[in-house]
Amino acid sequence: KNQVEQSPQSLIILEGKNCTLQCNYTVSPFSNLRWYKQDTGRGPVSLTIMTFSENTKSNGRYTATLDADTKQSSLHITASQLSDSASYICVVSAAGGYQKVTFGTGTKLQVIP
Amino acid sequence: DAGVIQSPRHEVTEMGQEVTLRCKPISGHNSLFWYRQTMMRGLELLIYFNNNVPIDDSGMPEDRFSAKMPNASFSTLKIQPSEPRDSAVYFCASSSRKGLAGGANTGELFFGEGSRLTVL
Repeated sequence: KNQVEQSPQSLIILEGKNCTLQCNYTVSPFSNLRWYKQDTGRGPVSLTIMTFSENTKSNGRYTATLDADTKQSSLHITASQLSDSASYICVVSAAGGYQKVTFGTGTKLQVIP
Repeated sequence: DAGVIQSPRHEVTEMGQEVTLRCKPISGHNSLFWYRQTMMRGLELLIYFNNNVPIDDSGMPEDRFSAKMPNASFSTLKIQPSEPRDSAVYFCASSSRKGLAGGANTGELFFGEGSRLTVL
């Protein structure tokens, strides 16, 4: 069964600090992995997409990494801001034909001043 | 573009009542998805339409749930009769990648702001 597990479930950090969120998946065959940011009361918004051949991708202060061998991804947030407070959801898609994507349950990040 | 538009944003109803949630996808997108989000289970796919045709409704909880997409710019999700366990946030999402499967193999999902349903 395809699964996506995220850790930690929740995280509190001080403004300006860095943090790293983890995603482990068992989706096969792998197509791509996306990180979504979901602000409270809003819909998820895509931050970045990682395909099999990509190891690192940055989007501003967000940097995603992918290790397809160990089936792990991380999202690193640099110099956190209050506006980074949100849930971050890892979403993995399978390749070939009709396949559903698999959502992680998310990491809830709170950045405090 | 205004993005995916959902209505209502909030709905409070009593058990047994009919609930209709509405969605207008992004113009030009040919795939539309209905998701349900709860604290316990996260985001769950309910149903997926491609070119207005339902492709996969295996996520629909039971016969009380139904969804339609009469045209490319409108979809509804109906719950009749509603029950307290249906309380959740319901998201509509659309995507533009041709041949997309029930969750966007490569395409980005564009979500609406959600409809928060509370059934008393």
